[in-house]
Amino acid sequence: EIVLTQSPATLSLSPGERATLSCRASQSISNYLAWYQQKPGQAPRLLIYDASNRATGIPARFSGSGSGTDFTLTISSLEPEDVAVYYCQQRKDWPPLTFGGGTKVEIK
Amino acid sequence: QVQMVESGGGVVQPGRSLRLSCAASGFAFSGYGMHWVRQAPGKGLEWLAVISYDGRNEYYADSVKGRFTISRDNSKNMLYLQMNSLRGEDTAVYYCARNQRPTLINPADWGQGTRVTVSS
Repeated sequence: EIVLTQSPATLSLSPGERATLSCRASQSISNYLAWYQQKPGQAPRLLIYDASNRATGIPARFSGSGSGTDFTLTISSLEPEDVAVYYCQQRKDWPPLTFGGGTKVEIK
Repeated sequence: QVQMVESGGGVVQPGRSLRLSCAASGFAFSGYGMHWVRQAPGKGLEWLAVISYDGRNEYYADSVKGRFTISRDNSKNMLYLQMNSLRGEDTAVYYCARNQRPTLINPADWGQGTRVTVSS
């Protein structure tokens, strides 16, 4: 089973700052990585698929990069509504689909 | 618009069974694979199962294989999760989700979830 490790656990930034979230896979997953946003009390929402493709309706300030074992989700200019937990998920070797443990993004 | 509404959650004793339902609308249900994903209180996401668009193929996480069964009724636009031999660690919010597309196995559109509590 492929293990995804996310860092940091919590990220506290001011509005307008750049947020950089990391996801590392236990083995190469090519670009088969997705990112999800889960706001408090809500269901997850797909943000990015195949490492760098924004899902429908996702603002351009969200971008993804990486391949192999190291991936990054970047929020170019943090907005208050971006407060959420962000999860990565791999589909290279399934079942099972696996998720990372999440990064919580807070506003200072 | 695409919508999934889960139901059937509640409080159940360990060892008992429960069936969750997911009513889908706003899209051609019979053309999409469907997933179940859960989230234990204060924890992350755990993928449980996926079923193909026609119901012919099912895949499970090891944690639920042999205890949970995913199924669908395309005539009713309904997805189900039969959960047997429930344990305390099955306590979670259970989400159904539409697969992104046949070549992209990602839970793309999610319902709001139904809460299951396993407790005596």
